Amino acid sequence: NAGVTQTPKFQVLKTGQSMTLQCAQDMNHNSMYWYRQDPGMGLRLIYYSASEGTTDKGEVPNGYNVSRLNKREFSLRLESAAPSQTSVYFCASSEEWGNYGYTFGSGTRLTVV
Amino acid sequence: QQQVKQSPQSLIVQKGGISIINCAYENTAFDYFPWYQQFPGKGPALLIAIRPDVSEKKEGRFTISFNKSAKQFSLHIMDSQPGDSATYFCAASMPGRLYFGRGTQLTVWP
Repeated sequence: NAGVTQTPKFQVLKTGQSMTLQCAQDMNHNSMYWYRQDPGMGLRLIYYSASEGTTDKGEVPNGYNVSRLNKREFSLRLESAAPSQTSVYFCASSEEWGNYGYTFGSGTRLTVV
Repeated sequence: QQQVKQSPQSLIVQKGGISIINCAYENTAFDYFPWYQQFPGKGPALLIAIRPDVSEKKEGRFTISFNKSAKQFSLHIMDSQPGDSATYFCAASMPGRLYFGRGTQLTVWP
């Protein structure tokens, strides 16, 4: 049972380039989330999807877009990468939209130069 | 505005000792308080969680103490082991929103 799978694990982009981070979960969870983790800042919510077909902004959505492709997959897109988007990105899922434990992927380490 | 304040930022404990990490919050709408453990290069993993109608929850060597009136909660790790060396995050949740503290890097010396 893989849980939450993120690809790629590492990526280096030049300023202005675009890319999509992929996330898939095999736990039949309804809700999915994208977080970024920066040193000394904890994890901050970028976007979330309460259920298939819905998405909404979190704390730090600027510069990002998301797509809930189906129940399993939730992608994060950077249209024009900036050095401030250098971070570790985590995808997470939870069984329902509510107060439950989240299962996190192993992260994508993104560097924008 | 930091929704959840966590301290200390780093903690060094000798093997067999007690590790204590503290968190505080202001928003009384929070009703679920999980703790996550993160090893280098891995995603956070749910360690233990508590709801505010309970003052304490224990799972093995890990205990959450919760003080609703003070809006504070803490993680105690009894008999700390080198394998417990990791970053610990407290969090507070309202429906669909999970806010994290900034993390505590725990090092347990053998």
